[in-house]
Amino acid sequence: SQQGEEDPQALSIQEGENATMNCSYKTSINNLQWYRQNSGRGLVHLILIRSNEREKHSGRLRVTLDTSKKSSSLLITASRAADTASYFCATDDYYGGATNKLIFGTGTLLAVQP
Amino acid sequence: DGGITQSPKYLFRKEGQNVTLSCEQNLNHDAMYWYRQDPGQGLRLIYYSQIVNDFQKGDIAEGYSVSREKKESFPLTVTSAQKNPTAFYLCASSPQGMNTEAFFGQGTRLTVV
Repeated sequence: SQQGEEDPQALSIQEGENATMNCSYKTSINNLQWYRQNSGRGLVHLILIRSNEREKHSGRLRVTLDTSKKSSSLLITASRAADTASYFCATDDYYGGATNKLIFGTGTLLAVQP
Repeated sequence: DGGITQSPKYLFRKEGQNVTLSCEQNLNHDAMYWYRQDPGQGLRLIYYSQIVNDFQKGDIAEGYSVSREKKESFPLTVTSAQKNPTAFYLCASSPQGMNTEAFFGQGTRLTVV
């Protein structure tokens, strides 16, 4: 079963604007990760945030985590046409013991118009 | 170059046939995974393996089988028992332990004709 959902399902913005996508999950976690997928390709890891962290930055990416609300957000600043892709959040299997087994959300399709 | 390789990229299968998807990694990772992705949807876990000669079912294992005889290889067989096999299949690997990222192959698109 999928751990949670991303919101919105699709997002269209202009180059230079910021893009924010949200992820909700259902159970306790050790970490939450964000991945990017270009159409028809494999996923690429973007950033990992641990359950005891509230915010993390990597280049133009900013991730927040609120474990009390079981939610995370990914902010992409100053977006570029090359950021067009699907973005997925993934959480680990905290209770299953397989702590590196990832459970993915449903994804947000981001389109950045030049 | 280190990485994870899936082959073939495109695969066509007739109904009633079994087909095997290849996944090889040279990252020295202990854990490997198979996911299925349907159009416009997220990834669903089929099988995963945390160590050689051991593997566990994921959420949608019915109609699929795997083996893990070597650390670097985790082939997935789609059997005739899988009623709706047309999908995009993704293989991934990761180091053991908590808080590790997964590395993905480029996927195999399977179409039943």
